[in-house]
Amino acid sequence: GEDVEQSLFLSVREGDSSVINCTYTDSSSTYLYWYKQEPGAGLQLLTYIFSNMDMKQDQRLTVLLNKKDKHLSLRIADTQTGDSAIYFCAVDTGGFKTIFGAGTRLFVKA
Amino acid sequence: GAVVSQHPSWVICKSGTSVKIECRSLDFQATTMFWYRQFPKQSLMLMATSNEGSKATYEQGVEKDKFLINHASLTLSTLTVTSAHPEDSSFYICSARPFADTQYFGPGTRLTVL
Repeated sequence: GEDVEQSLFLSVREGDSSVINCTYTDSSSTYLYWYKQEPGAGLQLLTYIFSNMDMKQDQRLTVLLNKKDKHLSLRIADTQTGDSAIYFCAVDTGGFKTIFGAGTRLFVKA
Repeated sequence: GAVVSQHPSWVICKSGTSVKIECRSLDFQATTMFWYRQFPKQSLMLMATSNEGSKATYEQGVEKDKFLINHASLTLSTLTVTSAHPEDSSFYICSARPFADTQYFGPGTRLTVL
């Protein structure tokens, strides 16, 4: 079945850039997402990219999509302590179903 | 825009009782709503997909008689956990999807069954 994989932990210093990587298996995915979850809260949509795009930038966030390698990444520039959270990669599989990765826990050291 | 609410945000109940969780899309109509379950430090597990006015489609391994889903209108879906037991304790998150658009998540409901 469809699968989405991402590394479980990332630790960066405040002010550095963070890069969270994700790989997926479904080549027919149309929408690919990045969500942020803070402790005890629901999911906040950070950004998404259409499968026909290679890159999308939104303020401090840059999403890169390599469709050939089925690789998606999220870069957070000038990472702040408030960015500490779990980041979920998710892809649509068609039929309006979305498959989530296990989440990457980002630690930002002051 | 695109706000989804859930009620209650947390609930504690005794084993054997039933609990109803509401999910509402506040400023849009959602043709499809989803219910997810999240265990501590784990990802979201899709439980079921519901379309307004029709029966929910449950994922493999999810008991439909245990987790009753009603999607009576384009802005409201409910999840009822029947005869709850401690192993049903979890974080339940709904999402709502306008037609051909991304899904928007509710803030989640934390259920603790004693």
